[in-house]
Amino acid sequence: QLHLQESGPGLVNPSGTLSLTCGVSGASISTSRWWSWVRQPPGKGLEWIGEIFHTGSTHYNPSLKSRVTLSVDKSKNHFSLMLTSVTAADTAVYYCATPTDYWGQGTLVTVSS
Amino acid sequence: DIQVTQSPSSVSASVGDRVTITCRASQGISVYLAWFQQKPGKAPKSLIYAASHLHSGVPSRFSGSGSGTDFTLTISSLQPEDFATYYCQQYDDYPRTFGQGTKLEIK
Repeated sequence: QLHLQESGPGLVNPSGTLSLTCGVSGASISTSRWWSWVRQPPGKGLEWIGEIFHTGSTHYNPSLKSRVTLSVDKSKNHFSLMLTSVTAADTAVYYCATPTDYWGQGTLVTVSS
Repeated sequence: DIQVTQSPSSVSASVGDRVTITCRASQGISVYLAWFQQKPGKAPKSLIYAASHLHSGVPSRFSGSGSGTDFTLTISSLQPEDFATYYCQQYDDYPRTFGQGTKLEIK
């Protein structure tokens, strides 16, 4: 059974960089699947951020593309999200997931000074 | 981007009722549509992939159908634990896009 777990700071300063990691257990990150990030602002719907394959191939949401970088660390069996120049609009619960099936529990990131 | 329009945005129903939620894609997506259930304060739970395939452990009262642009999620006999918000997502093209959600409330 694959398990995903997000980790990272819960508070980020405006104009700073949001960095989160998703630990993968129960499977190798080098298996043939994509690894994705989804976010949900408080009280709102789901927004797809992007996804990465273990080879490093990526797809990003055009609305965030200029600020987002996804990466994979095979040695640690985890993948990461970096979002730069954050504002209050980036306050959300961030989920890591595999497309259409497994989800992490989510982590709330608040952008505030 | 492919737009996914979900309806209704909310619905009230009673235990034992049959409920149908629809998703319409702005262009054909074959069967590349998934459905998720989300309860307050919890992560989404995957219910259905490829329009009609139930994930392991999902009760058989849930079913999905459709192809192309029109899709439905049906709950045949509502149970108390089914009251939640439901989302669809297309994964035929990038960027992946979600419907805006349907909140299923107790009548």
